[in-house]
Amino acid sequence: GESVGLHLPTLSVQEGDNSIINCAYSNSASDYFIWYKQESGKGPQFIIDIRSNMDKRQGQRVTVLLNKTVKHLSLQIAATQPGDSAVYFCAEIMFSGGYNKLIFGAGTRLAVHP
Amino acid sequence: SQTIHQWPATLVQPVGSPLSLECTVEGTSNPNLYWYRQAAGRGLQLLFYSVGIGQISSEVPQNLSASRPQDRQFILSSKKLLLSDSGFYLCAWRTSGGKNEQFFGPGTRLTVL
Repeated sequence: GESVGLHLPTLSVQEGDNSIINCAYSNSASDYFIWYKQESGKGPQFIIDIRSNMDKRQGQRVTVLLNKTVKHLSLQIAATQPGDSAVYFCAEIMFSGGYNKLIFGAGTRLAVHP
Repeated sequence: SQTIHQWPATLVQPVGSPLSLECTVEGTSNPNLYWYRQAAGRGLQLLFYSVGIGQISSEVPQNLSASRPQDRQFILSSKKLLLSDSGFYLCAWRTSGGKNEQFFGPGTRLTVL
């Protein structure tokens, strides 16, 4: 069935380095994607979103890239900080049953080392 | 500004006992509301969603039910808990007809023993 998944379950980086978290999606009809950050014991927090008519969007220290040809999404975090340690989820919007639903990937854990 | 509340924050219940988790949203009207479950170290599974009072759609067959007695109140229930019901339960909302972004509550950690 349609799904959103992640290439790497765990990513370890040094403080100050750039981080890249990847996500593959299979629903070619998806036109909206979101990255969420979830810290331990808390609910997911919105980071950045992107529509399918864009291939890049930048926020504060974060950039999302979308490659529709290979159905790949990535989140880049510049100058990674200890506070960036969390699990990151990509999610796609799926229109089903007359409503928009968020379909989440399995998540990638980002561990930032000093 | 909008806020979303969930309670309790943690809950330990015996197998076979009932369950009631509550979620309320402030600062918005007629939101779309969602219940998700997250197993340890896993992604989020959509359980229920609601587009209005009294309207509930179920995503997966399970031991749980949901109700929306008021516009900004969403309740997750069970008559008899199973061990497999343990997990982290998250409520979320989004503006009806607005942006697709969903905003999540702080979650309830449920342990069934």
